[in-house]
Amino acid sequence: NAGVTQTPKFQVLKTGQSMTLQCAQDMNHEYMSWYRQDPGMGLRLIHYSVGAGITDQGEVPNGYNVSRSTTEDFPLRLLSAAPSQTSVYFCASSSSDEQFFGPGTRLTVL
Amino acid sequence: GEDVEQSLFLSVREGDSSVINCTYTDSSSTYLYWYKQEPGAGLQLLTYIFSNMDMKQDQRLTVLLNKKDKHLSLRIADTQTGDSAIYFCAESKGGNQFYFGTGTSLTVIP
Repeated sequence: NAGVTQTPKFQVLKTGQSMTLQCAQDMNHEYMSWYRQDPGMGLRLIHYSVGAGITDQGEVPNGYNVSRSTTEDFPLRLLSAAPSQTSVYFCASSSSDEQFFGPGTRLTVL
Repeated sequence: GEDVEQSLFLSVREGDSSVINCTYTDSSSTYLYWYKQEPGAGLQLLTYIFSNMDMKQDQRLTVLLNKKDKHLSLRIADTQTGDSAIYFCAESKGGNQFYFGTGTSLTVIP
């Protein structure tokens, strides 16, 4: 099992560019989520999905889109990157009582 | 959202015990977790406790839960330099939504 994988590990964007952060899991978990981690603020939930075809907003959804066409994949899209989106992004998938995290994507928006 | 609070920093000497504290507001939480994040890595689950338990011990780790005060602590005995990391407290109601604290950065001084 690879667990939760994320690509890329690092990315630099210019303001206004778009990109997709990829996330995949091979544990057949229904629940997947995206967090951003900023200094002194812990992890904040961006979007989550309780199963294929179902997504919902978390605490800080503005500026991000998600889709869940398969159980395995949960990409996060930035349509028009802003410097405020500079952060480390973590994807996670969970069973009913444990959450597994990917290694993270460090994104810098100039 | 739910409110989970931790102090940001803790320093201890190698060989001493570390105690990391966390308070939460939702009395209906079912599970409470401690995660460890090493530099440049994702979060790894250290241990978790059901809300109907007061204490859980796992080798050098002891988790104490005071439900009345909504206070959770993680004690690391014989702290080693490899324990230097950020420790996150998290809660869930068992419905796959997790709420994280800000994280406590533990520095172990040789």
